[in-house]
Amino acid sequence: NAGVTQTPKFQVLKTGQSMTLQCAQDMNHEYMSWYRQDPGMGLRLIHYSVGAGITDQGEVPNGYNVSRSTTEDFPLRLLSAAPSQTSVYFCASSYSIGRGEKLFFGSGTQLSVL
Amino acid sequence: GQNIDQPTEMTATEGAIVQINCTYQTSGFNGLFWYQQHAGEAPTFLSYNVLDGLEEKGRFSSFLSRSKGYSYLLLKELQMKDSASYLCAVSRGATNKLIFGTGTLLAVQP
Repeated sequence: NAGVTQTPKFQVLKTGQSMTLQCAQDMNHEYMSWYRQDPGMGLRLIHYSVGAGITDQGEVPNGYNVSRSTTEDFPLRLLSAAPSQTSVYFCASSYSIGRGEKLFFGSGTQLSVL
Repeated sequence: GQNIDQPTEMTATEGAIVQINCTYQTSGFNGLFWYQQHAGEAPTFLSYNVLDGLEEKGRFSSFLSRSKGYSYLLLKELQMKDSASYLCAVSRGATNKLIFGTGTLLAVQP
């Protein structure tokens, strides 16, 4: 049972570099989302998707892009990394949040932007 | 996060009972989740409340009052392994966007 797979686990970037955080789930979940977690700020929603081809912004979308071309994958793109994007990133999925289905989280990505 | 308020830290003694409160804005409310997060790990699901009242699940119970915008998580017979952050999260709107509070760091002492 793979569940939610996030890669990479650790990443160091220089300011201005771009990169993609990968997220894949094998549970046929409709709902996928990206959160960032910073000390004292809790988990903040970046972008989410309620199905293939449908994405929407969360609380802190600026500087991040997403797409959902398949049910399984939901990559998060940083177009031009900034030190303010240093954080721990979690991908999470659920069959359907609307029916109280729990979120399954990936193991997280520790990103440092220098 | 979007007016979801929890205490920042709490301390309790092993074997005791602790109640962690969460208040939220009621607009667009669909349901409320509680998650547990140990240091350095991903959050894991504890409970979900959509109707008023108490949901009991072993040592953990969760209460919801929709009209008051209030929930609490009750942990009984505390164990050292319960030392963790407890996150309240609200599902809102037509797309059920899930927003988390900042979390409560619980320290269980011997």
